[in-house]
Formats: sequence, C-alpha cells, structure tokens
Amino acid sequence: GAGVSQSPSNKVTEKGKDVELRCDPISGHTALYWYRQSLGQGLEFLIYFQGNSAPDKSGLPSDRFSAERTGGSVSTLTIQRTQQEDSAVYLCASSYRQGAEQPQHFGDGTRLSIL
Amino acid sequence: AQSVTQLGSHVSVSEGALVLLRCNYSSSVPPYLFWYVQYPNQGLQLLLKYTSAATLVKGINGFEAEFKKSETSFHLTKPSAHMSDAAEYFCAVSVSGGTSYGKLTFGQGTILTVHP
Repeated sequence: GAGVSQSPSNKVTEKGKDVELRCDPISGHTALYWYRQSLGQGLEFLIYFQGNSAPDKSGLPSDRFSAERTGGSVSTLTIQRTQQEDSAVYLCASSYRQGAEQPQHFGDGTRLSIL
Repeated sequence: AQSVTQLGSHVSVSEGALVLLRCNYSSSVPPYLFWYVQYPNQGLQLLLKYTSAATLVKGINGFEAEFKKSETSFHLTKPSAHMSDAAEYFCAVSVSGGTSYGKLTFGQGTILTVHP
C-alpha cells in the first residue's frame, strides 16, 4: 500500500487478556517505530526496529510488552496480561532509513480499550 | 536528553487570522525538529521539518516555521487560518548519536480551533 497500515483499527478486550497489534510499514522502509498516545502521557516512544533488529527497546513500559519484526517488514506489538492503564492509541511509523533527520510516516493507529 | 515544550494546549483563532503555535526545545546537541498535525481518529501527518539546511522552513498547507537557536524555539505560523486547519499539532525533536536512532520526543500538543 501507499502508507503505513495498522490493524486492527480498534480493539476492545478484557483485563488480563493478551493482544497483538500489527503494523505494515511503507514498502522499502527499513526503520520502524512504535509509539503510544494516551491522555495522561501524551505521545511516548516504545521501540525502534532497524531491519529485524530492535536496537532501542527503552520505551517499553514493562516486560508484558514485546515486539518483533519479520522479513524487514511487518511488525507485531504484543501486550500480555493487559491492564486498564494499557488503554491508549498505539501508533506505528516508518522511515526510509534510520537517522534523526529522516521524516517518519505514521499509520492511523490502533485504539486499544481494556475493560 | 532532549525535550519539547509547547506553550498553550489550546489556541483559538478566527478564519483568516494569523496562526501562531509555539514550540521550545531543549537539546545538548544540534536538534532536528518536526511539526506534525493530527486530525481526529487519524495518525500524524508531517507538516515540515528542520534539518539545519535553512532556518526558515516551509511546509504543506501554507505553514512555515523558523528555527531560532538563540531562543531554542521552532514556532509554527500560517498567515491566514482556514477552517480545515482545525486539528491538533505536535512539535517533536530528534537527535543523532547514542541509541536515539531518530526516535521522536514530542511536545504535549496544541489543539487549534478556527472560528468562522
């Protein structure tokens, strides 16, 4: 596709369940980022991928959060044993290559609600 | 570590009036600065970026921003507001080196309201 695609667009689940969020970056983009947007915390960095490697996982809030990227393309963010504080919009972004000057292109996000 | 402060969580202007959204940054190394816009239920769209080539940066939809190192500012302006400019605007900073790898640090956002 032409842009970053995220699925599902909305996810409602019960506390304690596991969820998987998917991101399809722009074709050819080697760098991929996950951010979380919540009312209390604003936009926060979670994790960065260059190819299939994650050099920077510093933003993951707890060990319940994990992410992987396969084939240098699709990425999945997994949240285990979800808590109500995990409710947020999870945004994925990609850029052509790594670098601070590179513009990041964002998907429309997955809105996650934990009941 | 770098940080961004956006002054004013809400800004309201009349259609046709000047838009000024304020952003100040803190960074110990030369920064790269970005403005993004977010419409309801959508992701972030890049408006413009500063990468040291020129201090006055022009972006999409008539927006521009000026990098002022002495003031550590990167304010966003538009001469004449349109109704379609109503959205939330985010200023972000990125730096090279270390483990940053281009991750963005965002300000808290400014919601722009445009009145007819």
